[in-house]
Amino acid sequence: GAVVSQHPSRVICKSGTSVKIECRSLDFQATTMFWYRQFPKQSLMLMATSNEGSKATYEQGVEKDKFLINHASLTLSTLTVTSAHPEDSSFYICSAGQGGDQPQHFGDGTRLSIL
Amino acid sequence: AQTVTQSQPEMSVQEAETVTLSCTYDTSESNYYLFWYKQPPSRQMILVIRQEAYKQQNATENRFSVNFQKAAKSFSLKISDSQLGDTAMYFCAFMKQRFGSARQLTFGSGTQLTVLP
Repeated sequence: GAVVSQHPSRVICKSGTSVKIECRSLDFQATTMFWYRQFPKQSLMLMATSNEGSKATYEQGVEKDKFLINHASLTLSTLTVTSAHPEDSSFYICSAGQGGDQPQHFGDGTRLSIL
Repeated sequence: AQTVTQSQPEMSVQEAETVTLSCTYDTSESNYYLFWYKQPPSRQMILVIRQEAYKQQNATENRFSVNFQKAAKSFSLKISDSQLGDTAMYFCAFMKQRFGSARQLTFGSGTQLTVLP
């Protein structure tokens, strides 16, 4: 089955640091990738949608200068949390879609902790 | 805009028993997909089952089956012969049907299911 690899799985860093999270589709080309944020015991909140070769579309309330998304190839999208602060601590999950009626495939998520 | 509602924040069931998780949704779309995802403590998102809105037949995957009522906009998940490994958060999700690029999922708030030994 389709596999999405997300790295790193866990990040602990100091306030003010920028953190990059990678999302790779290993055995298929992902025309679209999605980035979600999840707080404990809550649902997934869509942050942004990225299409290969074009600018990401951000959901209302998500700061595009804070959460930089790059989707430079059909198999890789990155989310960079710039100048992270403790309130950015959360679980971030990516998913990749092949298009059409194919279901999305999720990465295993990244637990980000900002001290 | 689409909304997905899961009205049961928590449920529990005895091992080997059957449990039904509820989901309702609201949309003006006529063609769409509905999904149930499972998120165990490891926090992986695992696709449990999916239903195409144009199909009248309810989807089934081994012990998991759905009751899809399109007119009522209801999409419940039945888990038969519950196992301890079924303990997880379950999310109902909606996706518009479109050709071309992948579409975003709209998730419900989730139901935490605990299977008791």
